[in-house]
Amino acid sequence: DVVMTQSPLSLPVTLGQPASISCRSSQSVVYSNGNTYLNWLQQRPGQSPRRLIYEVSKRDSGVPDRFSGSGSGTDFTLRISRVEAEDVGVYYCMQGSNWPYTFGQGTKLEIK
Amino acid sequence: EVQLVESGGDLVQPGRSLRLSCTASGFSLNVHGTHWVRQAPGKGLEWVSGIIGNSERIDYADSVKGRFTISRDNAKNSVYLQMNSLRPEDTALYYCANDHTPGGLYYWGQGTLVTVSS
Repeated sequence: DVVMTQSPLSLPVTLGQPASISCRSSQSVVYSNGNTYLNWLQQRPGQSPRRLIYEVSKRDSGVPDRFSGSGSGTDFTLRISRVEAEDVGVYYCMQGSNWPYTFGQGTKLEIK
Repeated sequence: EVQLVESGGDLVQPGRSLRLSCTASGFSLNVHGTHWVRQAPGKGLEWVSGIIGNSERIDYADSVKGRFTISRDNAKNSVYLQMNSLRPEDTALYYCANDHTPGGLYYWGQGTLVTVSS
């Protein structure tokens, strides 16, 4: 199975400041068709997960443009340009290039 | 309105069985993969099982292989998870999720709670 490792696991951020989460996979998550099915999910307290980013850097509909994804191969990053109060929650990277799908441990973002 | 609704969660004793249902409205579950993902209390997300197309591909996490069975009913736009020989460590909120884009887990339900305890 592909192991996804996130850092940091806890991320205190001041409102309006940027934030960055790293995700590393134990092997390449490039699929046989050349696409990389690396996703970022947000789970706000008490809610179901919500996908923010798919295929490394594509933002889902309705996701604010302060969220961006980047990376390739085995190293990926989620960036929030200016953290807002509504961004509080846990963020997961997830690979869907290989079965079983696997998730990172989650990064808990809180406001300082 | 696009919606995924899970049902069937309950409190059961170890060794018993339970069947979870996931029904979609507003889109077809048959186009891309549909998966079950669980979240134990206070823990992270764990992929449990997935199904693509007309059962062209089915797979399970090692932790449930041989005990859980995923299936679908295209006429009802539903996917099911038959869970047998339940263990306390299966206690979790079980989410149904659909890819919508390949490898993507875009649509999520609200989850259904399974508690395994004597």
